[in-house]
Amino acid sequence: KAGVTQTPRYLIKTRGQQVTLSCSPISGHRSVSWYQQTPGQGLQFLFEYFSETQRNKGNFPGRFSGRQFSNSRSEMNVSTLELGDSALYLCASSWGQGAWETQYFGPGTRLLVL
Amino acid sequence: QKEVEQNSGPLSVPEGAIASLNCTYSDRGSQSFFWYRQYSGKSPELIMSIYSNGDKEDGRFTAQLNKASQYVSLLIRDSQPSDSATYLCAVNINNAGNMLTFGGGTRLMVKP
Repeated sequence: KAGVTQTPRYLIKTRGQQVTLSCSPISGHRSVSWYQQTPGQGLQFLFEYFSETQRNKGNFPGRFSGRQFSNSRSEMNVSTLELGDSALYLCASSWGQGAWETQYFGPGTRLLVL
Repeated sequence: QKEVEQNSGPLSVPEGAIASLNCTYSDRGSQSFFWYRQYSGKSPELIMSIYSNGDKEDGRFTAQLNKASQYVSLLIRDSQPSDSATYLCAVNINNAGNMLTFGGGTRLMVKP
């Protein structure tokens, strides 16, 4: 099976712009979670989608949003970019939604905000 | 107090030795625990999951869980230079869906 794919892999934006990142889960996986990784804060949970519904949301401002499509693919959007949004954005997929589900990570999108 | 804590390291071990990586967590009700390995510039890859008290072995890796002490560890036997990476402990705090809380990671260096 193909793994989790994320596009684009690298992105450079300027402050104030918005960005949309895409994630395709492993075939058959219905849950997609998004994480932000920075050197200072580590890996932090953004949000989780299952069956096109947001199930959990991390402690991030409303500028961060996402959605999931009927084919389980997911997008996340960051509006009004700030310098501090520079990070590696990781998508992870799992088959179902539950505490015992194993999440598999994609390669990530590295975002640089200038 | 952070919800999931790890010693940032670096932990340096000679090739062939046992590397011991530790993680503590704050939520006593947590049920699922994961170890991920992350090479520099790459994304995390799953090493092991553990849900019950005791040991779980997979090849050179052994995960140990002690819920009473809120402690989970990863042992790597016969450490190889290719094991040099950052090891991330992840906990499903409050058994909340697929939301993982990560520790800061321990950087492991295996010296030939």
